[in-house]
Amino acid sequence: EAGVTQFPSHSVIEKGQTVTLRCDPISGHDNLYWYRRVMGKEIKFLLHFVKESKQDESGMPNNRFLAERTGGTYSTLKVQPAELEDSGVYFCASSHLGTGGYNEQFFGPGTRLTVL
Amino acid sequence: QKEVEQDPGPLSVPEGAIVSLNCTYSNSAFQYFMWYRQYSRKGPELLMYTYSSGNKEDGRFTAQVDKSSKYISLFIRDSQPSDSATYLCAMRGSQGNLIFGKGTKLSVKP
Repeated sequence: EAGVTQFPSHSVIEKGQTVTLRCDPISGHDNLYWYRRVMGKEIKFLLHFVKESKQDESGMPNNRFLAERTGGTYSTLKVQPAELEDSGVYFCASSHLGTGGYNEQFFGPGTRLTVL
Repeated sequence: QKEVEQDPGPLSVPEGAIVSLNCTYSNSAFQYFMWYRQYSRKGPELLMYTYSSGNKEDGRFTAQVDKSSKYISLFIRDSQPSDSATYLCAMRGSQGNLIFGKGTKLSVKP
């Protein structure tokens, strides 16, 4: 079974441009999470989808970030316009929708975003 | 005060050594405690998780949680060069999101 995949693996853009990151979760996983690691800092939560609905977007830094998950399968995270401080590694994770207990979040390899 | 504190290291040990990695946290409501391992240019991979207080062992790895002290540990016995990676502690937030420490970079020298 394929793991979580992310595209592109690396993106270099100029300040002010738009970038769209894509995440394909493990098939059958209804939970999809986006996280970000800025250099020198810890990995931080951005938002959580359950199927196509945004369950929690409390970690989104500002309205330049837009996440979608149409049809409850893959998700995109668009940054428009990109700023220098948006540089970092963006991780996607997915898990089963459990009724209790712990459901492991499986992480993708990340997209490294560099804004110049 | 950060929710999760973890010394980023780096930590360098000889092969065969016992490694001790630690995190402290501030939120007494945390119930699930995870250790992730991350190799360079890869995503975090779950090593172990513990529910509430206590110990959990898996091969050469032992996770400990002391909720009274808000302190968690990961011990690696007979460390191997293949254990060289960044180790991240994480706690599960109330909405299911993970709250990570900064990660400790471990290097095991042959």
